[in-house]
Amino acid sequence: SAVISQKPSRDICQRGTSLTIQCQVDSQVTMMFWYRQQPGQSLTLIATANQGSEATYESGFVIDKFPISRPNLTFSTLTVSNLSPEDSSIYLCSGGGGYNEQFFGPGTRLTVL
Amino acid sequence: AQKVTQAQTEISVVEKEDVTLDCVYETRDTTYYLFWYKQPPSGELVFLIRRNSFDEQNEISGRYSWNFQKSTSSFNFTITASQVVDSAVYFCALKRPDSSYKLIFGSGTRLLVRP
Repeated sequence: SAVISQKPSRDICQRGTSLTIQCQVDSQVTMMFWYRQQPGQSLTLIATANQGSEATYESGFVIDKFPISRPNLTFSTLTVSNLSPEDSSIYLCSGGGGYNEQFFGPGTRLTVL
Repeated sequence: AQKVTQAQTEISVVEKEDVTLDCVYETRDTTYYLFWYKQPPSGELVFLIRRNSFDEQNEISGRYSWNFQKSTSSFNFTITASQVVDSAVYFCALKRPDSSYKLIFGSGTRLLVRP
């Protein structure tokens, strides 16, 4: 199984600022995913990040708001830009290849004031 | 369209009771993959099981068991002799056999095990 770490684990940010979340996997994975989980809700996929190509965003999510980097097969970052209180959520990174088990990081709890 | 339904929003049981969490899925694919995850209060998502659509054998892992029935499009999860540490939100998810490898999550069932 893959072990996934995220930094920071939580943060409190001011409206209008940005937060960059780092995701590190202890082994190479083909695909990495970024999810958002709003309070009391299920997980919603933001985008899929492949190494060496642009991230693929889901409906309702745009690159200007959620720029993603994937410089290698073990690392990715998600930036949440121009923060508003509605962005307060848990952001989870996930990694896995194909149809095998997909593992998740511990999440980043973001609160926007 | 693909969809996962977890109709039970919240379940409360007393410790040592058995509890079943329901999961019903919709897909037109003949090949697909089903998952269960546990999310304890700490927030991390813990992988519990993956099942492909061609394997209808029930699975048992300690106090956990899963009942996969294609005829009813269900993949239910039973915890036997529940414990307080089982208190968490449980998510069922579906993965399609396409190159996106995206997980489609149900809305989750919050399980509270009372001492």
